[in-house]
Amino acid sequence: SAVISQKPSRDICQRGTSLTIQCQVDSQVTMMFWYRQQPGQSLTLIATANQGSEATYESGFVIDKFPISRPNLTFSTLTVSNMSPEDSSIYLCSPRVGTDTQYFGPGTRLTVL
Amino acid sequence: GENVEQHPSTLSVQEGDSAVIKCTYSDSASNYFPWYKQELGKGPQLIIDIRSNVGEKKDQRIAVTLNKTAKHFSLHITETQPEDSAVYFCAASGGGTSYGKLTFGQGTILTVHP
Repeated sequence: SAVISQKPSRDICQRGTSLTIQCQVDSQVTMMFWYRQQPGQSLTLIATANQGSEATYESGFVIDKFPISRPNLTFSTLTVSNMSPEDSSIYLCSPRVGTDTQYFGPGTRLTVL
Repeated sequence: GENVEQHPSTLSVQEGDSAVIKCTYSDSASNYFPWYKQELGKGPQLIIDIRSNVGEKKDQRIAVTLNKTAKHFSLHITETQPEDSAVYFCAASGGGTSYGKLTFGQGTILTVHP
């Protein structure tokens, strides 16, 4: 398994501002996924981040809105830019351990006013 | 791409009863099927997974079955306890252009009444 931490655990932000979410893993992982979970909904993949390469984004998500950094194999950040109330969600990082097993961080609960 | 359907959306059982949650998937190339449990205010926790070369896997009170021909897999919880109450998500790891990416079902809210 993996020990995953996210910062902040929750935040309340004003419309138009940006928030950077940090994800730290206790072991080196090649692939890191970022998900969004809207209230009462399932998980939707935002992007895949590999160390040393540009993140790849899923349909409906763009780099200008959700820039991602992956400076090393244990750390990644997701920024939610120019926020609106529709961005209020739980944001989760998910490292892949081994060939296919994915674990999830505790999540960052974001409320945009 | 992959599409995963999960049923039921809510499930209410008495303590000690069994609970079954079913999922179907669309991509025949999918080969990895995890199940996650999400408690209120927490991230999803991996509870069991199965790969396409296995038909059944069991871990104490939890078991998962996979029918590749019919493209469906199920989670079975026996002797349920109130602490099993949570939202459960199934997922499938797709093939082709979706290789390695998990697609999630819509979730099942399980309530175990003492």
